Amino acid sequence: AQSVTQLGSHVSVSEGALVLLRCNYSSSVPPYLFWYVQYPNQGLQLLLKYTTGATLVKGINGFEAEFKKSETSFHLTKPSAHMSDAAEYFCAVSKASGSARQLTFGSGTQLTVLP
Amino acid sequence: GAVVSQHPSRVICKSGTSVKIECRSLDFQATTMFWYRQFPKQSLMLMATSNEGSKATYEQGVEKDKFLINHASLTLSTLTVTSAHPEDSSFYICSASGTGARGDTEAFFGQGTRLTVV
Repeated sequence: AQSVTQLGSHVSVSEGALVLLRCNYSSSVPPYLFWYVQYPNQGLQLLLKYTTGATLVKGINGFEAEFKKSETSFHLTKPSAHMSDAAEYFCAVSKASGSARQLTFGSGTQLTVLP
Repeated sequence: GAVVSQHPSRVICKSGTSVKIECRSLDFQATTMFWYRQFPKQSLMLMATSNEGSKATYEQGVEKDKFLINHASLTLSTLTVTSAHPEDSSFYICSASGTGARGDTEAFFGQGTRLTVV
């Protein structure tokens, strides 16, 4: 079984400050890891994903995440927050084999960017 | 990236009626589609997985007779909420994946459907 824990259901940062959204996962098999962003009443947009290879993954809009197997973590960061980053963020995990596209989501983190 | 179109984006229906939601892959063949449900301020919960031409596999606790899923072609899957009740009001999101270099590792999401049952 797989699970995802996102620490902090709400995170507030000032515009221009560092964004750090935490994600820890549990998986009995090698995982694929994803971060998605959701704006109100919209679907999910993929920010970045880790499958294999380099553990530091760069995504869209200046976001990046680092896969740390020893810590079972995949935290999302952005050096400088922008007002447009305010949204709900979901970390997700899938199996690296079999139905790789079936995702288990974390509970989500609402990011607020303060002017 | 691949495009998945979900329709309608919003629907209001009367209690007891049925509602059909469509999920289309516009520029790739979707061999597998997933249907999720999202309650307000909560995460997405997988309802079912459907493979083209096969019966859907439902997650535990999801009523297959209430949430009918059809995946008759490689570009279209439908979710029908039968005899809808107010407790079925939710945000429903589909995702689709196919074959190819990206298809094995990534699913592409539709825009979601806000269902309100009155």
